[in-house]
Amino acid sequence: GQSLEQPSEVTAVEGAIVQINCTYQTSGFYGLSWYQQHDGGAPTFLSYNALDGLEETGRFSSFLSRSDSYGYLLLQELQMKDSASYFCAVRDIRGSQGNLIFGKGTKLSVKP
Amino acid sequence: DAGVTQSPTHLIKTRGQQVTLRCSPISGHKSVSWYQQVLGQGPQFIFQYYEKEERGRGNFPDRFSARQFPNYSSELNVNALLLGDSALYLCASSQRAGTLSNQPQHFGDGTRLSIL
Repeated sequence: GQSLEQPSEVTAVEGAIVQINCTYQTSGFYGLSWYQQHDGGAPTFLSYNALDGLEETGRFSSFLSRSDSYGYLLLQELQMKDSASYFCAVRDIRGSQGNLIFGKGTKLSVKP
Repeated sequence: DAGVTQSPTHLIKTRGQQVTLRCSPISGHKSVSWYQQVLGQGPQFIFQYYEKEERGRGNFPDRFSARQFPNYSSELNVNALLLGDSALYLCASSQRAGTLSNQPQHFGDGTRLSIL
């Protein structure tokens, strides 16, 4: 089967840098995605890594190591509005057409 | 452009009842997926439809069914509701389906279903 592991909670202060790790177990791999979800809101797409290395989008970066089945999301210059849950996700390879399998999410709390 | 819209936003039902949830994808998106999100967990895949055909089904009982209409909107139906069906039901759309393509899923705000 396919599964993803990520820490349940992370706390950091405004202006700091935080890294949210994700390890995955999958029979086939088609990339690792990250989604952000504020309380009561919709998950929103942040980034996608298909190949090894770092992808940077503004204050957010995402890293992938396929040999280690590992990735992380790096958030820099943390702001209060970054307090949210962050989910890593992989695509289901069991014959369906691209649905996602999500981790249980990491709740990030940014303190002043 | 309008995002993914879902209705209703909140719904309260009792055990044994039936419910229909609705979703309108982003204009031009032909793939619609449904997810169930229990409090404190990640979204769990229920169904995917592409070009009005079911293309994937998650590990949910037959009480769950869905369909996609010619205008690509979709409905999720749940029969014989159980207390455990209480969750946020999310609809997501993408331009096309395909495991090998990076098609970010665009989620609606969801329907929060409470079963009493």
